[in-house]
Amino acid sequence: EAQVTQNPRYLITVTGKKLTVTCSQNMNHEYMSWYRQDPGLGLRQIYYSMNVEVTDKGDVPEGYKVSRKEKRNFPLILESPSPNQTSLYFCASSFRGASPLHFGNGTRLTVT
Amino acid sequence: KNEVEQSPQNLTAQEGEFITINCSYSVGISALHWLQQHPGGGIVSLFMLSSGKKKHGRLIATINIQEKHSSLHITASHPRDSAVYICADGQAGTALIFGKGTTLSVSS
Repeated sequence: EAQVTQNPRYLITVTGKKLTVTCSQNMNHEYMSWYRQDPGLGLRQIYYSMNVEVTDKGDVPEGYKVSRKEKRNFPLILESPSPNQTSLYFCASSFRGASPLHFGNGTRLTVT
Repeated sequence: KNEVEQSPQNLTAQEGEFITINCSYSVGISALHWLQQHPGGGIVSLFMLSSGKKKHGRLIATINIQEKHSSLHITASHPRDSAVYICADGQAGTALIFGKGTTLSVSS
């Protein structure tokens, strides 16, 4: 089944403890991206990648890192999480930059 | 700066009504996305269009490039259409900019 898989679905952590949210797609898509969704602010793009080893900042990249070493994986890294990064995170992929998006199920992150 | 504005912010309808959600963007696009998010749920792509009109079942999306405006129409609305509808302006090779969403509630 074609899908975008995010893990974990829920994560509670403490300030400063490094964490990684994984994202994997099995559709051989070139484009992958990360978003956060907050009440009143809607969806905002964090980082995106047009292909392997090609990444770029979205609207709100501060405090996040990404890597794209393989086409199928695009992990989101929070090296020193802070409470303002408490949010609902979505990963998405598409065949190319201007193609329909396929979203993962989301990761609800709480940083205390 | 590219901005995407959606209206209305909230919409209440009776089952069977015709629904229109509007989206305006400020920069020329290569692709305008319409997304659907059910309460507590994930996000599903409904349409991606760069010109004209697309139809899928009871959903129709249109775009007017000159006016930088897109609409999402739902014909014969049903309670299962209750969701948040989000438009996003996506230029190939650049960041996606999202509208804040329209919350639709359809009652029977």
